[in-house]
Amino acid sequence: AQSVTQLGSHVSVSEGALVLLRCNYSSSVPPYLFWYVQYPNQGLQLLLKYTSAATLVKGINGFEAEFKKSETSFHLTKPSAHMSDAAEYFCAVSDSAGGTSYGKLTFGQGTILTVHP
Amino acid sequence: DADVTQTPRNRITKTGKRIMLECSQTKGHDRMYWYRQDPGLGLRLIYYSFDVKDINKGEISDGYSVSRQAQAKFSLSLESAIPNQTALYFCATSGTDYGYTFGSGTRLTVV
Repeated sequence: AQSVTQLGSHVSVSEGALVLLRCNYSSSVPPYLFWYVQYPNQGLQLLLKYTSAATLVKGINGFEAEFKKSETSFHLTKPSAHMSDAAEYFCAVSDSAGGTSYGKLTFGQGTILTVHP
Repeated sequence: DADVTQTPRNRITKTGKRIMLECSQTKGHDRMYWYRQDPGLGLRLIYYSFDVKDINKGEISDGYSVSRQAQAKFSLSLESAIPNQTALYFCATSGTDYGYTFGSGTRLTVV
């Protein structure tokens, strides 16, 4: 069975500082990996996804993530935090074709990012 | 119009009542999903459907049922609501490019 662990339920950074949100996964087949953002009282918006192409994935709003198979990680980063980045972030995994969880997303517990001036 | 529309947006119901949450999508995708979000637990899959004739249980299907009325419509029912079903419910759809689109959610409170 696949699973996702997000390290740190809350992360706080200063405006302009590096943002690093950690995600580790387990999957029995090559995974597809996703990061979503949820602003207060809104649905989920896709930030970026890895589907077995380039291991460094660039997304919207200046975010990027790197797939590291040896570390089973897919950490999300942004060089310089902005106040508007304050939100909850979710990492998710799905099996690639052939896996039993193909087509289904399994989510991590979420990380709330706070950005202070 | 939104790609994925959920109704109602908010609902308060009493314990033991039957309630239906509705979802419709205009993406033309075959795959649809219902997720439940609870603080600190992320989103958990309730039911999913890969086409109109295919319905599957997710990890937390007990107490829920679904109906796929058409390619575009996928409804979730709570036959007899209980307080621990108070949560934020999301419908989603996906295509073969793994582009999942989520609705805005239904906030359900069972009192």
